[in-house]
Amino acid sequence: AQTVTQSQPEMSVQEAETVTLSCTYDTSENNYYLFWYKQPPSRQMILVIRQEAYKQQNATENRFSVNFQKAAKSFSLKISDSQLGDTAMYFCAFMKWPGAGGTSYGKLTFGQGTILTVHP
Amino acid sequence: IAGITQAPTSQILAAGRRMTLRCTQDMRHNAMYWYRQDLGLGLRLIHYSNTAGTTGKGEVPDGYSVSRANTDDFPLTLASAVPSQTSVYFCASSDRQWEQYFGPGTRLTVT
Repeated sequence: AQTVTQSQPEMSVQEAETVTLSCTYDTSENNYYLFWYKQPPSRQMILVIRQEAYKQQNATENRFSVNFQKAAKSFSLKISDSQLGDTAMYFCAFMKWPGAGGTSYGKLTFGQGTILTVHP
Repeated sequence: IAGITQAPTSQILAAGRRMTLRCTQDMRHNAMYWYRQDLGLGLRLIHYSNTAGTTGKGEVPDGYSVSRANTDDFPLTLASAVPSQTSVYFCASSDRQWEQYFGPGTRLTVT
């Protein structure tokens, strides 16, 4: 079974600054996906960024980037130029590669979440 | 509508009562999922369905049942609710191996 650990229950950052959220995971799998999801006060789950384990290059999406260290089983999220709208709960999540075939779908294992507050 | 709808938005339920949380998607996705969200625990998978007519157990299935009679609907039933089932419940769907779309959630309080 996989486990995902987010050791920072809460973080805060000033607007326009950079913040890094930590995530570690444990798995015996070699092929998998890692995700960061954002949950604002509206409760909606929003995919922020995705990383495939076979890719050495770290994923980036605009102001969001990850530091993926496969050997260390670490997957941190860096938010640059923080904005007030980034205030949310952030979840790290793991998905074992579901396999080939049109009926193979992955299942997510989530971390505990980190509440990020961006201050003006 | 477009996406996933869940009903009700919130509910207060007496312990011992039966409750069905509804989930409907209009994207014709094959796979659907139910998660529960609890503070300090994140989201945990309850049940899933890879295609209409099939279901499977997730990490925390006890006390819950599901059915998948057609592609669009995936109801979650609590046969006899207990206070430990107080949670926020999310339905999700997928048509690709890794991508999941989440509904708006149902907040359930069992008293």
